[in-house]
Amino acid sequence: EIVLTQSPGTLSLSPGERATLSCRASQSVSSSSLAWYQQKPGQAPRLLIYGTSGRATGIPDRFSGSGSGTDFTLTISRLEPEDFAVYYCQQYGSSPYTFGQGTKLEIK
Amino acid sequence: EVQLVESGGGLVQPGGSLRLSCSASGFSFSFYGMHWVRQAPGKGLEYVSGISSNGRSTYYADSVKGRFTISRDNSKNTLYLQMSSLRPEDTAVYYCVKGSPYYGLDFWGQGTTVTVSS
Repeated sequence: EIVLTQSPGTLSLSPGERATLSCRASQSVSSSSLAWYQQKPGQAPRLLIYGTSGRATGIPDRFSGSGSGTDFTLTISRLEPEDFAVYYCQQYGSSPYTFGQGTKLEIK
Repeated sequence: EVQLVESGGGLVQPGGSLRLSCSASGFSFSFYGMHWVRQAPGKGLEYVSGISSNGRSTYYADSVKGRFTISRDNSKNTLYLQMSSLRPEDTAVYYCVKGSPYYGLDFWGQGTTVTVSS
């Protein structure tokens, strides 16, 4: 199975700053099959980005995704207070699907 | 509006069994693959199992293979997860998730809690 490794484990930033989250795969992932999810405490995860760079319905354009092969990135251009949460990358091109271990984005 | 409502969670002793159900509405259930994802307390997301739209193909994480069985009833718009030989490490919130070959896991239920403890 494909192992996804996210870094950093925790990212401490202030509102208004730029956040860059990384996801590295143990083998090549199709760009059409890499997603990012946001999870807030006590809530189910929510799809943010699909197919590496597509924004899900209702997701603001400050969220963007990029990458290819084994290296993928989620960028939040200017952090809003509601963006502080845990973010997971996930591949859905190869079964079983797999998730990264998550990056916690916390307020500095 | 897509809705996924899980049920069947609870407290079970190690070695016991439990069946989770997920009632789906707001989309053409029989057209989409469906999945179960779990989250142990304070931990990250773990993919558990998936099933194709017609039920003929199933997928399992190594951690549950041979113990869990995923199934679906398209006439009832319902997804199931039969769990047996449960272990304390199976304790988690179990999410029912709608799949899409294009979007990934695009809609999530609110989850049902399974606790395996004596």
